[in-house]
Amino acid sequence: EPEVTQTPSHQVTQMGQEVILRCVPISNHLYFYWYRQILGQKVEFLVSFYNNEISEKSEIFDDQFSVERPDGSNFTLKIRSTKLEDSAMYFCASSGGRTGGNQPQHFGDGTRLSIL
Amino acid sequence: QQQVKQSPQSLIVQKGGIPIINCAYENTAFDYFPWYQQFPGKGPALLIAIRPDVSEKKEGRFTISFNKSAKQFSLHIMDSQPGDSATYFCAASKTDSWGKLQFGAGTQVVVTP
Repeated sequence: EPEVTQTPSHQVTQMGQEVILRCVPISNHLYFYWYRQILGQKVEFLVSFYNNEISEKSEIFDDQFSVERPDGSNFTLKIRSTKLEDSAMYFCASSGGRTGGNQPQHFGDGTRLSIL
Repeated sequence: QQQVKQSPQSLIVQKGGIPIINCAYENTAFDYFPWYQQFPGKGPALLIAIRPDVSEKKEGRFTISFNKSAKQFSLHIMDSQPGDSATYFCAASKTDSWGKLQFGAGTQVVVTP
């Protein structure tokens, strides 16, 4: 079964540094998403991406964050000038169409980001 | 603002029991309600989803009950097995949004042998 893959599985970074989290969505999917889950808390939406542009973002997704689809297979989340509170599990998801009905979101296994 | 409220936070049942997880939502524009299962170290995996035009949906041992007037929906796991031990999340979204899923806080289910 096709799956969403994320790398690395664990990223440790010094506060203030930039990190790039990488995702390879399911190959025929057109909609891409990033979510985060702070330890012990619920999964929170960050951003959705379609047709090479952001379609919706949450209030968490401020100027510190950016997303990019640099080629036909990868989808990246960049976090600039990381802060301690950015420590979380970051999940990438993709769907074949807009969510709802027969177009569910499929999640990767996440990247655990630890800011020191 | 907590758009989707989930309870209980955790529950323990014996094998064969029926754990029931409840969710309530506030936004009447929500029209898609999925349930996700998450094992430690893994991402959420879609279990079953429902739209508000039906009151119940079954897939295998998993059943969603939906009460549109009460703005509540619940997951029942029939004949639960130790392998069902996981964290379960309800979620909600609007078709006219760009796929933003609003998740509940999660319920950790433990099924004892």
